[in-house]
Amino acid sequence: KAGVTQTPRYLIKTRGQQVTLSCSPISGHRSVSWYQQTPGQGLQFLFEYFSETQRNKGNFPGRFSGRQFSNSRSEMNVSTLELGDSALYLCASSLAGGINSYEQYFGPGTRLTVT
Amino acid sequence: AQKITQTQPGMFVQEKEAVTLDCTYDTSDPSYGLFWYKQPSSGEMIFLIYQGSYDQQNATEGRYSLNFQKARKSANLVISASQLGDSAMYFCAMRFTGNQFYFGTGTSLTVIP
Repeated sequence: KAGVTQTPRYLIKTRGQQVTLSCSPISGHRSVSWYQQTPGQGLQFLFEYFSETQRNKGNFPGRFSGRQFSNSRSEMNVSTLELGDSALYLCASSLAGGINSYEQYFGPGTRLTVT
Repeated sequence: AQKITQTQPGMFVQEKEAVTLDCTYDTSDPSYGLFWYKQPSSGEMIFLIYQGSYDQQNATEGRYSLNFQKARKSANLVISASQLGDSAMYFCAMRFTGNQFYFGTGTSLTVIP
């Protein structure tokens, strides 16, 4: 079974631009979560989508948005990029999520650099 | 507020020895899940082990075991018989009813041959 895939793997953008990252979950998985990882803030939860609906959201500004398609693929968008948005963005998928769900699998991440 | 603390920024262990990575948490929520993940230099997060807050027995997965002490709010990871490939960052995480994951700051483990 193929794992979680994320595209692109590396991205360089200029401050003020916008970016879209893509995540394809494991086949059959309906929950997709996004995380931002930086040396200073560590791993922080961005949001989770389940069946095309945002089910949970972390404490990030409205410049960060996402969506999920009917095939469970998810995209994350960051508008008006700032230098502080430089990070590794990780996507994780699971069958259904929930408190007792431990089958959350992460993708390799997209490393975004904002200059 | 939920909080995860990993007090060991870096750890060293001799190959074939056991090592314990510390994790403490703070929550008033009675229902939660505890996780440990490994992140090699490649960046991908690898699930290692899970413990539910209502589980009576400590979780084990091969060479990994979770020392769960609910009253002390600690969930330490024990790696037995360390291997060179165990060198990586290790993250403790919690998942609550609201479905959010909270991660600790991580511990960098280096296995010495």
